[in-house]
Amino acid sequence: AQTVTQSQPEMSVQEAETVTLSCTYDTSESDYYLFWYKQPPSRQMILVIRQEAYKQQNATENRFSVNFQKAAKSFSLKISDSQLGDAAMYFCAYTRGLKAAGNKLTFGGGTRVLVKP
Amino acid sequence: GAVVSQHPSRVICKSGTSVKIECRSLDFQATTMFWYRQFPKKSLMLMATSNEGSKATYEQGVEKDKFLINHASLTLSTLTVTSAHPEDSSFYICSACPVDRPYGYTFGSGTRLTVV
Repeated sequence: AQTVTQSQPEMSVQEAETVTLSCTYDTSESDYYLFWYKQPPSRQMILVIRQEAYKQQNATENRFSVNFQKAAKSFSLKISDSQLGDAAMYFCAYTRGLKAAGNKLTFGGGTRVLVKP
Repeated sequence: GAVVSQHPSRVICKSGTSVKIECRSLDFQATTMFWYRQFPKKSLMLMATSNEGSKATYEQGVEKDKFLINHASLTLSTLTVTSAHPEDSSFYICSACPVDRPYGYTFGSGTRLTVV
């Protein structure tokens, strides 16, 4: 079974600084997708970034970027120029790369990000 | 963009009664929807995968008779918590993927269920 592990329960960052969240996963599949989701206090799940395993290039979305190390099964998220609005729970998630809408997401335990003004 | 509407956002029910939660994809069709449960400060736990026109697939340990899931159309899935008890109090979230974007997971805003 696939598992996703986030080893940092909580991370604190100064506003405008950079913070990196760790995520490791375990799978025997070669084709899969990885995600980072943000859950603010409203509890609405928001997609931050998505990475296809077959792509070697790391995905970026504005101030958010990932370091995808397929051999190490590592998928870290870097938040640059942190803003107060970045404060939230962040979840790493995995799904198999089968071309079907029925693929379930497996979530990590989450990392709470605190942003200090 | 894809939108998933989940209702109600909050519900309080008496112990022993049933409560229904709806999950609608507003601007896309979804053959599959997912139901999660989230305890405070914890991650999302998948309860079941809802398949349009067929029986839901439940995760191990989830009581099928307590958590009834119906996916009657390509835009609507419902979760009914039957004979609710205080331990069923939780935050429930649904998710769906457009048929033409299998990795475009979109989440509802969640339902906070309190059983008194």
